[in-house]
Amino acid sequence: DIQMTQSPPSLSASVGDRVIITCRASQNIFTYLNWYQQKPGKAPELLIYAASRLQSGVPSRFSGSGSGTDFTLTISSLQPEDFATYYCQQTYSGLRTFGRGTKVEIK
Amino acid sequence: QITLEQSGPTLVKPTQTLTLTCTFSGFSLSSSGVGVGWIRQPLGEALECLALISYDDDKRYSPSLQNRLTITKDTSKNQVVLTMTNMDPVDTATYYCARSFGYGYMDAFDFWGPGTAVTVSS
Repeated sequence: DIQMTQSPPSLSASVGDRVIITCRASQNIFTYLNWYQQKPGKAPELLIYAASRLQSGVPSRFSGSGSGTDFTLTISSLQPEDFATYYCQQTYSGLRTFGRGTKVEIK
Repeated sequence: QITLEQSGPTLVKPTQTLTLTCTFSGFSLSSSGVGVGWIRQPLGEALECLALISYDDDKRYSPSLQNRLTITKDTSKNQVVLTMTNMDPVDTATYYCARSFGYGYMDAFDFWGPGTAVTVSS
């Protein structure tokens, strides 16, 4: 199985901050990497697919980059509605495995 | 408009079999590139993909759970059913179904059901 490791597990940030979340795959997954946002009590929502492609309707302050084993999700200017948990997911091999999540909290 | 609704028990006893149904609208599971998956999430923990069925009936299962899982589809009813046998309290979680869409390795869960909170307790 491909293991996905996210860091940090949690972070505190203020509105307007630039936030970067990283995800590392245990083997090369090229650009087959998605990012999701989940708010408490809600189902996850797709933000980014294929490492850098913005899902329709997602604000442009979200961006993704990376290839191979190292990926990042960047929120250019954190908004109040962005406080949530973010998950990466690989789609290269077998069943689609998720990282353990990064919780973005209010500083 | 794409929607997914879930039905099934919220409480099951240990050793029982869990059966969850995902009923969807707005897309067809016979269309190329389309699949439906089941994902679970214990309270406060991470997402875990359990099973995925594709338009061509390709099925994938979590390696650690595959001997307990069965996923099936009924294209005419727009339904996907997940069964999980021999339920244990550690299986207590919220279970989601979600549409998978894409081609080759480039796919994603782009629409999700609301989740079913399942408790395993005697």
